[in-house]
Amino acid sequence: DQQVKQNSPSLSVQEGRISILNCDYTNSMFDYFLWYKKYPAEGPTFLISISSIKDKNEDGRFTVFLNKSAKHLSLHIVPSQPGDSAVYFCAARNTGGFKTIFGAGTRLFVKA
Amino acid sequence: EADIYQTPRYLVIGTGKKITLECSQTMGHDKMYWYQQDPGMELHLIHYSYGVNSTEKGDLSSESTVSRIRTEHFPLTLESARPSHTSQYLCASSSTGNQPQHFGDGTRLSIL
Repeated sequence: DQQVKQNSPSLSVQEGRISILNCDYTNSMFDYFLWYKKYPAEGPTFLISISSIKDKNEDGRFTVFLNKSAKHLSLHIVPSQPGDSAVYFCAARNTGGFKTIFGAGTRLFVKA
Repeated sequence: EADIYQTPRYLVIGTGKKITLECSQTMGHDKMYWYQQDPGMELHLIHYSYGVNSTEKGDLSSESTVSRIRTEHFPLTLESARPSHTSQYLCASSSTGNQPQHFGDGTRLSIL
C-alpha cells in the first residue's frame, strides 16, 4: 500500500526552464512533508519541507506547494540547472510519529 | 554537511556468510534508521532506534537484526546472507521533532 506516490519516474527539462515534480499522498494524518535529492552513489540529502499549516514554502530556486484537499504536493525548481539533475524523493510523516514514508522518486534530467 | 558514515560502500559476498553493515554518526542524534531500497523503488524502513538500547522493526520485514549499544553506532547484521538480500541499505539519523533525516551514502550489497 503506497501512501506516498510519485507517478512520474522521470522528467526532462531544458536548462533555465521550470521543473515541476509532483507527489500524491493518501494518509490524511500526514502533516509534514519533505523533499530529498539524491545523486548517484550518494545518500539522499534534505532539500526543503513544508508543514500542513502552510500551502507554500520557498527557499531560493526551490518552492514546495501543498494542496491538502487534493492530498498533493509539488516541488518547483526555477530556473533549472544541469546540477539539479538527480533523483527527487517526496516524503511524508505525521508529527509525533516516528516513521517517514518515502515515494519511489522522480529522476530529473536538466539538459544544457 | 551530515556526518554519518556507512561501511562498506560496496560488498559482494557468497550465500551463507554473516555480514555486518556499519553505520556511525557524530551528530549526537538519538534517532537512527535503516532503510532498504531497490532501484526505482521507495525507501523501505526496516529498523529504527529511539536511543541507546532501543530498537524496533520497521514496515518492511527483514531477516536482519540491529543493535544500539552506543548513541553513535547502529550496525545491521545478516546472520546468513541470501541472494534475496541483494539491495542498497541506507542508514540515517535525526534529532528530535520534525528535523529531517541525515543519510549516509549507503551500502550496495550483492549476494551471489
